[in-house]
Amino acid sequence: EPEVTQTPSHQVTQMGQEVILRCVPISNHLYFYWYRQILGQKVEFLVSFYNNEISEKSEIFDDQFSVERPDGSNFTLKIRSTKLEDSAMYFCASSLRDPRSGEQFFGPGTRLTVL
Amino acid sequence: GENVEQHPSTLSVQEGDSAVIKCTYSDSASNYFPWYKQELGKRPQLIIDIRSNVGEKKDQRIAVTLNKTAKHFSLHITETQPEDSAVYFCAANGPSGYSTLTFGKGTMLLVSP
Repeated sequence: EPEVTQTPSHQVTQMGQEVILRCVPISNHLYFYWYRQILGQKVEFLVSFYNNEISEKSEIFDDQFSVERPDGSNFTLKIRSTKLEDSAMYFCASSLRDPRSGEQFFGPGTRLTVL
Repeated sequence: GENVEQHPSTLSVQEGDSAVIKCTYSDSASNYFPWYKQELGKRPQLIIDIRSNVGEKKDQRIAVTLNKTAKHFSLHITETQPEDSAVYFCAANGPSGYSTLTFGKGTMLLVSP
């Protein structure tokens, strides 16, 4: 069964450094998402992406964040200048249809630790 | 925006008992309500979902009910087993009807043998 994959599984970085988190969504899916989960807390929506542009973003997704689909398979989240509070598990998800009618499949996550 | 409240935060049951987790949502335009199970250190996985045109949906030992008037939906697990132990999240789609899934804070279900 196809799955969403993410790399790396764990990223450690220094405060102020840029990080890029990578995701490979399920190949025929059209909608892509990033979520984050601070340890022990709920999953929070960051951004959604469809037809090569951002569909929606939350207030968490400020100017330090950006997303890109550089080719037909990868979907990336860039944090330009990391802060301590960016430490969290970041989940990528994808869906075939828009979320009113389609299941979102989550990747295994990238644990980001900002020191 | 959408606000999803989930109760209880923890739930301990004996194997074989039933478990019920309840969620309320704020936006009457929400029309899709998934439930995710997250085992420790793993990705959230969809276990069941319901859309606003139905009031109940069952899948073996799991059922979800939706009351649109009261804006609440519940997850019911019957004949619980130790492998049901996990954190369960409810979610509702956002007011725009597009991408946003707003999650509840989660319920840690512990099933004791």
